[in-house]
Amino acid sequence: DTEVTQTPKHLVMGMTNKKSLKCEQHMGHRAMYWYKQKAKKPPELMFVYSYEKLSINESVPSRFSPECPNSSLLNLHLHALQPEDSALYLCASSQDWASGGQYFGPGTRLTVT
Amino acid sequence: GENVEQHPSTLSVQEGDSAVIKCTYSDSASNYFPWYKQELGKGPQLIIDIRSNVGEKKDQRIAVTLNKTAKHFSLHITETQPEDSAVYFCAASSYGGSQGNLIFGKGTKLSVKP
Repeated sequence: DTEVTQTPKHLVMGMTNKKSLKCEQHMGHRAMYWYKQKAKKPPELMFVYSYEKLSINESVPSRFSPECPNSSLLNLHLHALQPEDSALYLCASSQDWASGGQYFGPGTRLTVT
Repeated sequence: GENVEQHPSTLSVQEGDSAVIKCTYSDSASNYFPWYKQELGKGPQLIIDIRSNVGEKKDQRIAVTLNKTAKHFSLHITETQPEDSAVYFCAASSYGGSQGNLIFGKGTKLSVKP
């Protein structure tokens, strides 16, 4: 099973709202990732968690706050977003960081109004 | 840092024809090269990958070739079908190394006409 699940599928939020995106995998992977993808562009790395610790933050604004409650779950907390943050947010996992294939979830389509 | 270039940006073929997408990379330390297929409204799906100790890998109608000397790798799809229509991304990283992040190409939109 190479499934990564994400909820919700779609999210519309105002600039003053607080919301969270959720990601789950049950493959025993120890690295999990958040990506942002704009239309017609490749995924852009935001955060990497390795063994439940934040190991990479690609200079992401503080209005995005990741959390890894356990080895199967990854959250992305959103607060005071801007319209330009509207995008597809993808979660991925891999056996370890630098261990090869990353498996992506279906994404959350976020619209900030 | 690593840079991956992908060509062409769009590719249109007739059903049953072959399709080839090419990528070049800059960092000789890269040794892992996956290919992803992304259908409209979905997340990228890993379809095939290759490591630098192998020159070619096949999985049914898809194959990937790697030329380490020239630093390029290619995706070959034979007997294309309409369901192959999607955006394909190549990527490079350093398996077991210090650069585990995937560096993506800009993508190729493949259209297979029935």
